Amino acid sequence: DADVTQTPRNRITKTGKRIMLECSQTKGHDRMYWYRQDPGLGLRLIYYSFDVKDINKGEISDGYSVSRQAQAKFSLSLESAIPNQTALYFCATSDPDRDATGELFFGEGSRLTVL
Amino acid sequence: KNQVEQSPQSLIILEGKNCTLQCNYTVSPFSNLRWYKQDTGRGPVSLTIMTFSENTKSNGRYTATLDADTKQSSLHITASQLSDSASYICVVSGGSTLGRLYFGRGTQLTVWP
Repeated sequence: DADVTQTPRNRITKTGKRIMLECSQTKGHDRMYWYRQDPGLGLRLIYYSFDVKDINKGEISDGYSVSRQAQAKFSLSLESAIPNQTALYFCATSDPDRDATGELFFGEGSRLTVL
Repeated sequence: KNQVEQSPQSLIILEGKNCTLQCNYTVSPFSNLRWYKQDTGRGPVSLTIMTFSENTKSNGRYTATLDADTKQSSLHITASQLSDSASYICVVSGGSTLGRLYFGRGTQLTVWP
């Protein structure tokens, strides 16, 4: 089983719909992240959380919200999806207490298409 | 401005050949540089990390170099295999915010039989 699991893996939706992407991890890491990947643009940080009570905006948080339900769960929501939110979304974790270099452990990705 | 630039954007080589991918950065102060491999449809996976004091590090057929003076890193792949086809992403940790990561856009490598 994957250490970082994302659901759904693929989703097609329509403009204006509310979408939630879920992430769960079994690595026991405190830090969790949501990234967006677009062709030719690389990975961009949407939101990150250092623990259950800590939520921070990344570089492209507009139009997104998150919820850290537990140490192991971090959800990303699009309240009203729009076509330019079509992208591949990745959840990642890290544990700087065990690895000061900041290695990220990624999920398999959630491909979202907004029509 | 802290940036990470990778070249080439894409590369096609024949199986068994060697290749070198480049990463130039302007991130300062510098903490470390990591290369990730991302297979199609999968999440990135760390290949190797370079810290300020390291010049060369090998991981099987992958060899990374770092020149902290010129702010350049390279990833050399020896005797390429079909399974090396992937996107290779350079990520630099540093800047004024502790732990901040700066991502390159990746080099898409295709290995042909």
